[in-house]
Amino acid sequence: EPEVTQTPSHQVTQMGQEVILRCVPISNHLYFYWYRQILGQKVEFLVSFYNNEISEKSEIFDDQFSVERPDGSNFTLKIRSTKLEDSAMYFCASAKGYEQYFGPGTRLTVT
Amino acid sequence: ILNVEQSPQSLHVQEGDSTNFTCSFPSSNFYALHWYRWETAKSPEALFVMTLNGDEKKKGRISATLNTKEGYSYLYIKGSQPEDSATYLCAFKGGFSGGYNKLIFGAGTRLAVHP
Repeated sequence: EPEVTQTPSHQVTQMGQEVILRCVPISNHLYFYWYRQILGQKVEFLVSFYNNEISEKSEIFDDQFSVERPDGSNFTLKIRSTKLEDSAMYFCASAKGYEQYFGPGTRLTVT
Repeated sequence: ILNVEQSPQSLHVQEGDSTNFTCSFPSSNFYALHWYRWETAKSPEALFVMTLNGDEKKKGRISATLNTKEGYSYLYIKGSQPEDSATYLCAFKGGFSGGYNKLIFGAGTRLAVHP
């Protein structure tokens, strides 16, 4: 069964560094999302992406964040200058119909 | 601010017990209610998408109901098994711009089923 994959599973970075989180959505899906879960908090929406542009973004998704679908298969989330409060589990999801399918997440630890 | 609440926060049951959880969500601008099952280190697994008031869905021993007028959904597990141990997440989708909208999640109910 097709699934969403994410790499790496765990990334440790120093404050101020740039990180790129990678996702491979399900191949015939058209809508892509990033969510995150800070430890002990709810899963929260970051951004949705369709037709090579952002369709919606949350207040969290400021200028430090960007998304890209560089080659028609990968979907990336870049954080330009990480902060301690960016430490979280980041989930990618993709959708063709109304169901969103999630990857296993990347745990980002900013030290 | 849209808020989705789940109760209880955690639940410990014995194998064979039946159990249920609650998800409450805004009753206005409703589009869909999603249920996911999430085991640690795995992808959240889609259980149900519910869109119509009075919807009832079933997958094996797990079933769910939906009341959009009062803004709640129940998830039931009949005859719990240790492999049902997971966090169960509900997520609300508002009707602002259609079915591809963002999901707004509850905090989850963590279920532990003891043999």
